[in-house]
Amino acid sequence: GQNIDQPTEMTATEGAIVQINCTYQTSGFNGLFWYQQHAGEAPTFLSYNVLDGLEEKGRFSSFLSRSKGYSYLLLKELQMKDSASYLCAVVDSNYQLIWGAGTKLIIKP
Amino acid sequence: EADIYQTPRYLVIGTGKKITLECSQTMGHDKMYWYQQDPGMELHLIHYSYGVNSTEKGDLSSESTVSRIRTEHFPLTLESARPSHTSQYLCASSASGDTDTQYFGPGTRLTVL
Repeated sequence: GQNIDQPTEMTATEGAIVQINCTYQTSGFNGLFWYQQHAGEAPTFLSYNVLDGLEEKGRFSSFLSRSKGYSYLLLKELQMKDSASYLCAVVDSNYQLIWGAGTKLIIKP
Repeated sequence: EADIYQTPRYLVIGTGKKITLECSQTMGHDKMYWYQQDPGMELHLIHYSYGVNSTEKGDLSSESTVSRIRTEHFPLTLESARPSHTSQYLCASSASGDTDTQYFGPGTRLTVL
């Protein structure tokens, strides 16, 4: 079967750095997305990785290792507005998106 | 930012009623999707479409239908609502590429009593 694992919940302090991990086992791989979802709202796109390595976009960076079936989202200089769920989704061999359950990130002052 | 709209935003309805959830996008995207999401859970694909007159079933499609008569419009219909249908319904769209980003509407929160 296809499986995506993310921690259920993480807590971090305002101004700090946090890394949210995602491991996947899917039938094929055609890229990995990270989305942010505030409570009661729709997911919004953060990043897309298809090649190994780190991609940086402002305070957010995303890393991919295809050989390890592993990705992480790195959030720097945390702000209270970063409190949200972070969803990892993999594009499988049929070009369908397989979604993780998301990681709820709680930011404390 | 994406322009994709869903109505109603909230709906409370009795068991057995027929309901249609509306979704429209103004980006000219070929692909559209319906997802169901319960709190703290992953998104489950209900239906998707590659373009006009194209509809495909996802994982949870057996109790609903969709149509795609116009590019911008992709309504979802539940013929007979049940309490198990209580959930958040999210519509999304993307351009025609295989790995194009999906953009989501604000969602419809459905409660079936």
